[in-house]
This record gives sequence, structure tokens and C-alpha cells, in this order.
Amino acid sequence: AAGVIQSPRHLIKEKRETATLKCYPIPRHDTVYWYQQGPGQDPQFLISFYEKMQSDKGSIPDRFSAQQFSDYHSELNMSSLELGDSALYFCASSSGLVTDTQYFGPGTRLTVL
Amino acid sequence: AQSVAQPEDQVNVAEGNPLTVKCTYSVSGNPYLFWYVQYPNRGLQFLLKYITGDNLVKGSYGFEAEFNKSQTSFHLKKPSALVSDSALYFCAVRAQRNYNTDKLIFGTGTRLQVFP
Repeated sequence: AAGVIQSPRHLIKEKRETATLKCYPIPRHDTVYWYQQGPGQDPQFLISFYEKMQSDKGSIPDRFSAQQFSDYHSELNMSSLELGDSALYFCASSSGLVTDTQYFGPGTRLTVL
Repeated sequence: AQSVAQPEDQVNVAEGNPLTVKCTYSVSGNPYLFWYVQYPNRGLQFLLKYITGDNLVKGSYGFEAEFNKSQTSFHLKKPSALVSDSALYFCAVRAQRNYNTDKLIFGTGTRLQVFP
């Protein structure tokens, strides 16, 4: 079965640089979620999109922005990177039904030097 | 506000023995509860969920979980542990659904170590 695809899997950036993370949801899933997992931490919700519109927003820094495109893939743009942004970034997708499961991608490990 | 607690940072069990990973929740309204497993440097894999119906939910890889409304718990169980079950387990609750609020709120995770 098709799963959530994330690219790149690993990313190394310098402070103050910009990064773009991409997420391709499971086919026919219209809802995408982004989570951040710091070292030894539980995943924290950043932002979600339903049918290409932002549906919820969590503890996402103003330096970060995201969008969902017409083909339902999503991109998380991160600017002015800080050392504390180093984390594993997960994308999850679901059908948007209230009882549906969120299926997670393998994550992008971002390291900021 | 919705929250999930996993009281044990680590659970150790011998292979072949039953295992339990504990989770308690606090929500307003009906809870939607999930268990995920994370292997090192991997994503979160869905194990099982409780939405409504039978309190005993069966999931992947022989895992099951028991929903107990009076104790607000959703403990993960397996009758016979395998060494390959060693991983980090997260309990999660789905924030009460309205138009804008359907994110998952995770517990802090429990590391399961199964010894041969």
C-alpha cells in the first residue's frame, strides 16, 4: 500500500539559512499534518491543511510557513534557521474524516549547524 | 484541554511474557485514542485505535488495547512479547473534533525493552 512520502530524508543547514520540506500524502487523502519531534521528545503539532486550506495551527514559529497544493502535496518552509530547529519533522495524512487514522511518513531529519 | 499521560518512561519484559504499556487520558467529550510505535530513526507506525464500540481493540502485530472509561485509561497489551517489539510507544488522543481542531496530542512515550 502507498504510504506518505517525505523528502528529503536528511537535511543539513547552517544557521540563518532556509529549508523546504516536502510531503506527498497517501492517494485520496485530503488532509495533511506537520509535526516536529525534538531529540527525546514527543511529536508536537505544527500545522494542518484540509482541502488546501489551513485547518489548524499549533506551536509553529512565525519563521515557518506551509501550504498545500492542488495535488494535495504540502511544503513546509523554514527560514532564518536556528540551532533549536534541529529535529525530526513528520508529515501525516488522513482522509479528513473525524474517525480516520493519521498515517505518518518516515520523517525529515533536519540538522542546523 | 486534552492530554495524555504515559507514566512509565521504560518498560522491561522478558521475551514470551505478557507486556503492558500504560496510558491515561483527559478529554472533554468522547475520546478518540491511538497507539503508535516508533523504531529508531523511523516514522510513527499506527498500531490501533479506539473510536467507539468494544472496549478491547485489536491491532497490528498481535497488540491490543483496553479502553476503560471509568479509569480514563487505554493500556496497550500483548500476550507474548518478542524481542522485535522493542521500540518507543506513543499513546495519542485526537483533540475533540470541530472544524479546526483534529490534531493528535501525544504522550511522552514509553520505551519498551524486551530481553531474550
